Amino acid sequence: NAGVTQTPKFQVLKTGQSMTLQCAQDMNHNSMYWYRQDPGMGLRLIYYSASEGTTDKGEVPNGYNVSRLNKREFSLRLESAAPSQTSVYFCASRRRASGGAADTQYFGPGTRLTVL
Amino acid sequence: KQEVTQIPAALSVPEGENLVLNCSFTDSAIYNLQWFRQDPGKGLTSLLLIQSSQREQTSGRLNASLDKSSGRSTLYIAASQPGDSATYLCAAPGGSEKLVFGKGTKLTVNP
Repeated sequence: NAGVTQTPKFQVLKTGQSMTLQCAQDMNHNSMYWYRQDPGMGLRLIYYSASEGTTDKGEVPNGYNVSRLNKREFSLRLESAAPSQTSVYFCASRRRASGGAADTQYFGPGTRLTVL
Repeated sequence: KQEVTQIPAALSVPEGENLVLNCSFTDSAIYNLQWFRQDPGKGLTSLLLIQSSQREQTSGRLNASLDKSSGRSTLYIAASQPGDSATYLCAAPGGSEKLVFGKGTKLTVNP
């Protein structure tokens, strides 16, 4: 049981380049999330997917797109990278607990992205 | 809009000390509150999840309490160890699917 996996672990891009960050979970969770973490700003939600086939914007969606490919996979795409997108990106997933109680989020190890 | 604040931003204590980390939130209509741990260069690991119907949760040397009426949660760490050194984050719901995180408290436990 690998939990939440992310690829790549590190990436350096030039301004204007595009790339896709991959995330997969093997826990059969319904919900998946993309966050970015910046010094002094904390963790901020970029996009989330409450279930397969649905995606919604979070707090900082500009400059990003997402795809919920299937229940396991949720990718984040930067179409034209900018230096302001230099950050650490975390993917997370969450199970919908029975009876309406919320369950915790499980996080991947992160992707450290630098845009020059 | 939910806002989460953690005080202090950093804390340094000698080994063996008991300590309390504080978290406050602005929207008290929450159904749970979570505490996470983050080691340098790593992802977040869930420590404790307190449902709104509970007042506290315990896991080993960790105890988290939740007071919705005052908009506060505390994480109590007993008999701290150098291995407890990490950043501790609390998170409160900011919508049905969203979590709002505090900026964390960086804890250093000195041998």
